[in-house]
Amino acid sequence: GQSLEQPSEVTAVEGAIVQINCTYQTSGFYGLSWYQQHDGGAPTFLSYNGLDGLEETGRFSSFLSRSDSYGYLLLQELQMKDSASYFCAGLNYGGSQGNLIFGKGTKLSVKP
Amino acid sequence: GAVVSQHPSWVICKSGTSVKIECRSLDFQATTMFWYRQFPKQSLMLMATSNEGSKATYEQGVEKDKFLINHASLTLSTLTVTSAHPEDSSFYICSANRGQEQYFGPGTRLTVT
Repeated sequence: GQSLEQPSEVTAVEGAIVQINCTYQTSGFYGLSWYQQHDGGAPTFLSYNGLDGLEETGRFSSFLSRSDSYGYLLLQELQMKDSASYFCAGLNYGGSQGNLIFGKGTKLSVKP
Repeated sequence: GAVVSQHPSWVICKSGTSVKIECRSLDFQATTMFWYRQFPKQSLMLMATSNEGSKATYEQGVEKDKFLINHASLTLSTLTVTSAHPEDSSFYICSANRGQEQYFGPGTRLTVT
């Protein structure tokens, strides 16, 4: 199976850059996804890393290193609306189907 | 983009009754859908994988006779919580794969009184 570890809370100020790390132990690991979830809402997809390296999507970037079983989500030019929980999730293939295993989530608080 | 819908958005039911939650992929076909449960301030926990035309695959510790899953078509999966109890009160979220990306429904908040 899989387990993913990420910090429980991070606080940063508006305009800053924050990095949320995720380490994983897994069998059948296929890739790492990141999701954002605001209180009371459903998760929304941010990014996916199937290969090592950096993926950039606007203010958000995500990185994966398979050799280190490690990834991170980088949020730049933080805005108040970025206050949310961020989950890393391992895409796992077992047999003929894949599913996501989520980390416990990192609650990001952006201060003015 | 791809959209997954859920119905109802929230439901309150009495202990001992059954509740059905629907999950639909609106603009793509999904042979596989996933059902998650999320308790307050906790992560999403995969309950089961719903497979069109065959039996669902349940995660360890999830009672298949209590959480009935039916995936009758390529766009619809249903989760029925049978004989609901207050401890079943939770946020239930479905999702469907499209390529490497998993799209989530808006969730159903179940409160059992």
